[in-house]
Amino acid sequence: DTGVSQDPRHKITKRGQNVTFRCDPISEHNRLYWYRQTLGQGPEFLTYFQNEAQLEKSRLLSDRFSAERPKGSFSTLEIQRTEQGDSAMYLCASSLGPLGQETQYFGPGTRLLVL
Amino acid sequence: EDQVTQSPEALRLQEGESSSLNCSYTVSGLRGLFWYRQDPGKGPEFLFTLYSAGEEKEKERLKATLTKKESFLHITAPKPEDSATYLCAVQTNTGTASKLTFGTGTRLQVTL
Repeated sequence: DTGVSQDPRHKITKRGQNVTFRCDPISEHNRLYWYRQTLGQGPEFLTYFQNEAQLEKSRLLSDRFSAERPKGSFSTLEIQRTEQGDSAMYLCASSLGPLGQETQYFGPGTRLLVL
Repeated sequence: EDQVTQSPEALRLQEGESSSLNCSYTVSGLRGLFWYRQDPGKGPEFLFTLYSAGEEKEKERLKATLTKKESFLHITAPKPEDSATYLCAVQTNTGTASKLTFGTGTRLQVTL
């Protein structure tokens, strides 16, 4: 069990550029979550996949954000036309088990800085 | 709207000085309450899940308890390596997802 992995770990970009992050969940975990965490705050839910289906999106997820999980394994989160307010740690988590009774295991995060 | 409040925001303890962290919550229907530990620049690390009032769980120097309105994380005889931010999160019956709603955390520093 290698845990949840995320790539890249750090990303610096200029305002207006597009960025894409990747998350590899724990093997066989069918649920995958994206969260965003800013300094001094707890993680905030962005979106959630069960297998390849995206089942819920937070209102925090503007039209510039898109997430995919094409084969029900890894997931990507893309931010188009980045803004300085997008600077944050983007966390991925995965889980397995009965809905509402599973534990979410987090990856190390991708820290994004938009200049 | 589901709310999670953690206190204190920051706590400084001397090695061996026991204390408790508080997590109070207001939710429409609690499925589970989770405690995570987060080191600077890293993702949250799972500690405990509590599902019903009266439940308790222990791991090394940590013990988590749950009532109908709050949870406590008790730290007994802490060591410097226990220094971290401790996050509380709830999973509720609202919506279709089992998303977690987090508090802002308690930053714990344990000194020699």
